[in-house]
Amino acid sequence: NAGVTQTPKFRILKIGQSMTLQCTQDMNHNYMYWYRQDPGMGLKLIYYSVGAGITDKGEVPNGYNVSRSTTEDFPLRLELAAPSQTSVYFCASSPQGRNNEQFFGPGTRLTVL
Amino acid sequence: AQSVTQLDSQVPVFEEAPVELRCNYSSSVSVYLFWYVQYPNQGLQLLLKYLSGSTLVKGINGFEAEFNKSQTSFHLRKPSVHISDTAEYFCAVKAETSYDKVIFGPGTSLSVIP
Repeated sequence: NAGVTQTPKFRILKIGQSMTLQCTQDMNHNYMYWYRQDPGMGLKLIYYSVGAGITDKGEVPNGYNVSRSTTEDFPLRLELAAPSQTSVYFCASSPQGRNNEQFFGPGTRLTVL
Repeated sequence: AQSVTQLDSQVPVFEEAPVELRCNYSSSVSVYLFWYVQYPNQGLQLLLKYLSGSTLVKGINGFEAEFNKSQTSFHLRKPSVHISDTAEYFCAVKAETSYDKVIFGPGTSLSVIP
């Protein structure tokens, strides 16, 4: 049981490039989330999904896109990378239910130059 | 909407001393409360959570937190810290009526000094 896995661990992009951050969970969780973590700012929700085929915007969705074709995978797409997207990105999942904890992946550290 | 305040961005403490990390929240509805810990270069993991019932909640690694509804607080405590407790600690709140969004505080960096 690997939990939540994220790839890559690190990435450097040039302005205007695009990339996909991968996230996979093997716990059969319905709910999945993408956060970004900036120093001193805590975690900000980018997008979330309550099940395959269903996604919705969080607090800071601009510049990102997601899809959820399977229960296991929830990739995050950056289309035109900007320096403001330099951050650490965390994927998380949780079982269905209002009071359940979230399980986090190890994160992807992205730098846009 | 909910919000979370963590009053101390950094807390240095000597090994074996007690520590309290403060968390206050605001919400117009009842909430669930969580404390997560993030060790260096890792993702977050749950320390403890308050859902209902006893206001004193015990978690992993000897941590506990007390829910105080009148003061809208959920402070985290440990009677004797170890070097291995050095980490970032996040308080989080989720509305009982919400199926999705958890609001995280900005975090408190705990540094345990040998």
